[in-house]
Amino acid sequence: AQSVTQLDSHVSVSEGTPVLLRCNYSSSYSPSLFWYVQHPNKGLQLLLKYTSAATLVKGINGFEAEFKKSETSFHLTKPSAHMSDAAEYFCVVTRNYGGSQGNLIFGKGTKLSVKP
Amino acid sequence: DVKVTQSSRYLVKRTGEKVFLECVQDMDHENMFWYRQDPGLGLRLIYFSYDVKMKEKGDIPEGYSVSREKKERFSLILESASTNQTSMYLCASSFGQGIWSYNEQFFGPGTRLTVL
Repeated sequence: AQSVTQLDSHVSVSEGTPVLLRCNYSSSYSPSLFWYVQHPNKGLQLLLKYTSAATLVKGINGFEAEFKKSETSFHLTKPSAHMSDAAEYFCVVTRNYGGSQGNLIFGKGTKLSVKP
Repeated sequence: DVKVTQSSRYLVKRTGEKVFLECVQDMDHENMFWYRQDPGLGLRLIYFSYDVKMKEKGDIPEGYSVSREKKERFSLILESASTNQTSMYLCASSFGQGIWSYNEQFFGPGTRLTVL
């Protein structure tokens, strides 16, 4: 069965230090993968997407993610955290069959805190 | 830019009331979705629609119904609101024929519903 696992429920970094949010997935085919960000009491905003083109994907606000098929990972990184990056981040994978759950599988989310 | 709007950001209703949540998208997307988001449970799909007047049940359709009379509008209806329907409701849309596509979803800002 397909699944997506965000390895950390909460990550805390200091402003100006690198950010790493980890995501592993399982799939029997080549899915599309996304990272979304959600600020408090807001909807989800697409940060970046991988759709079988380049394995290193650049997104908005300086974020990027690398698709590693051999490791089934799609980790999100940013070289230098900013206070405005504090939010919840969701790793999402497309589903390759029909059913009641729709076409996307959402991770449980990682809350990123940024300390001054 | 894709824009998905929801009729209310915050809503307070009484138990037993009929509640309408409206969602409108301006990008001529075929597919529309309703989710609810609860702490510890993540995003759960309530209903989705891949065409006008078409609807499919998601993971948790009980207590809800939907209406899609026009392509741009997807309404979620709580027939008789209950306190366990207090939640954040998110609407989303995506393009492409068929739900089982590799395309990302675009989310609205959410409606935080409180049922007293």
